[in-house]
Amino acid sequence: DAKTTQPPSMDCAEGRAANLPCNHSTISGNEYVYWYRQIHSQGPQYIIHGLKNNETNEMASLIITEDRKSSTLILPHATLRDTAVYYCIVRGGNTGGFKTIFGAGTRLFVKA
Amino acid sequence: NAGVTQTPKFRILKIGQSMTLQCTQDMNHNYMYWYRQDPGMGLKLIYYSVGAGITDKGEVPNGYNVSRSTTEDFPLRLELAAPSQTSVYFCASSQLGQNNSPLHFGNGTRLTVT
Repeated sequence: DAKTTQPPSMDCAEGRAANLPCNHSTISGNEYVYWYRQIHSQGPQYIIHGLKNNETNEMASLIITEDRKSSTLILPHATLRDTAVYYCIVRGGNTGGFKTIFGAGTRLFVKA
Repeated sequence: NAGVTQTPKFRILKIGQSMTLQCTQDMNHNYMYWYRQDPGMGLKLIYYSVGAGITDKGEVPNGYNVSRSTTEDFPLRLELAAPSQTSVYFCASSQLGQNNSPLHFGNGTRLTVT
């Protein structure tokens, strides 16, 4: 599985957009980009995923560059409850995605 | 659906004791995973399974064993507990062979070995 690189921490003002970057320069053609978040000590929660195209759901938007070597998770109007650790992972490929590896993630602090 | 259920929520073990962390899912997922998370760190994959009767090692398998006799259950066994195994353990599942299938996580088991 491809490795991802994320900044260790970021700040965001409440009500503003939070843009969380992720580098995955070794991603292969059939690997998806997934984003999860972990609030406090709870189990990680799925946010969004994509292959090539930009994606949007009720929680967030995912922007994937044309070369697929990086992506950005966008929380359009961050709230205090969005303070969490955000994990970007790549998954899929020839292995079918079963050996899913997590990195250290980005700790997002949303401030009032 | 209850999703992924882990028991117990908390446990304290003495060094050398053994225990089994239980994980069950009711979504008929074929893939199941065990992760551990040390304080302030990310998740490390211990073992995973692609279906009943099939298991394989992840990043940090030493000191653990797993079995997968049914699609629903994926217990994690610690035979000789050590302080280094103090951690939060998460079980997860996903659908077989679908690259667009996200992982569903349980709420974790917090284990302390003293």
